[in-house]
Amino acid sequence: GDSVTQMEGPVTLSEEAFLTINCTYTATGYPSLFWYVQYPGEGLQLLLKATKADDKGSNKGFEATYRKETTSFHLEKGSVQVSDSAVYFCALTPRGNTPLVFGKGTRLSVIA
Amino acid sequence: GAVVSQHPSWVICKSGTSVKIECRSLDFQATTMFWYRQFPKQSLMLMATSNEGSKATYEQGVEKDKFLINHASLTLSTLTVTSAHPEDSSFYICSARDLDRAIGELFFGEGSRLTVL
Repeated sequence: GDSVTQMEGPVTLSEEAFLTINCTYTATGYPSLFWYVQYPGEGLQLLLKATKADDKGSNKGFEATYRKETTSFHLEKGSVQVSDSAVYFCALTPRGNTPLVFGKGTRLSVIA
Repeated sequence: GAVVSQHPSWVICKSGTSVKIECRSLDFQATTMFWYRQFPKQSLMLMATSNEGSKATYEQGVEKDKFLINHASLTLSTLTVTSAHPEDSSFYICSARDLDRAIGELFFGEGSRLTVL
């Protein structure tokens, strides 16, 4: 079945450091890929998405590129802030109205 | 933008009682809603797919008699945790997709934190 594997945390970075959270997937066909973020005590929010190979999703300084050849969708940010501290989930969905398949989440803590 | 709202956002109940959680799509119609459960420091586990006007589809290992799902209208799905026990304490999140808009994106409710004493 479809699955998502993302790097385990927690990840602790200093402010303005470079962030990479790795995500790889296994799926049949051509899924859509997402990064969701969950801030402390809150629900999930869509951070960015990509729906086809070589698409780059970007939002709030975060970027991720849909790499079909490596089945990856790594999340990057050039300079993290304390306010970026949250849990980040990589997810995929096949075409159609199907539920998301989530990775286990990566907790990021950014210290000043 | 599309919004999914859950109520209540948190609830504390005694063991043996039942708790109902509502999930509403506020500005779009959702023929399908998804219910997830999140344990502390863990990922989201899909519990069931709620289908408007028909029975929900439960994932393997989820007790359908324990977690009753009703999707009576195109904007409302409810999850009832029956005879709740402390092990049912968790964060329950519903989600829905606006099929007329963003491809693939799921909109999530704020979540409902259930604590069973």
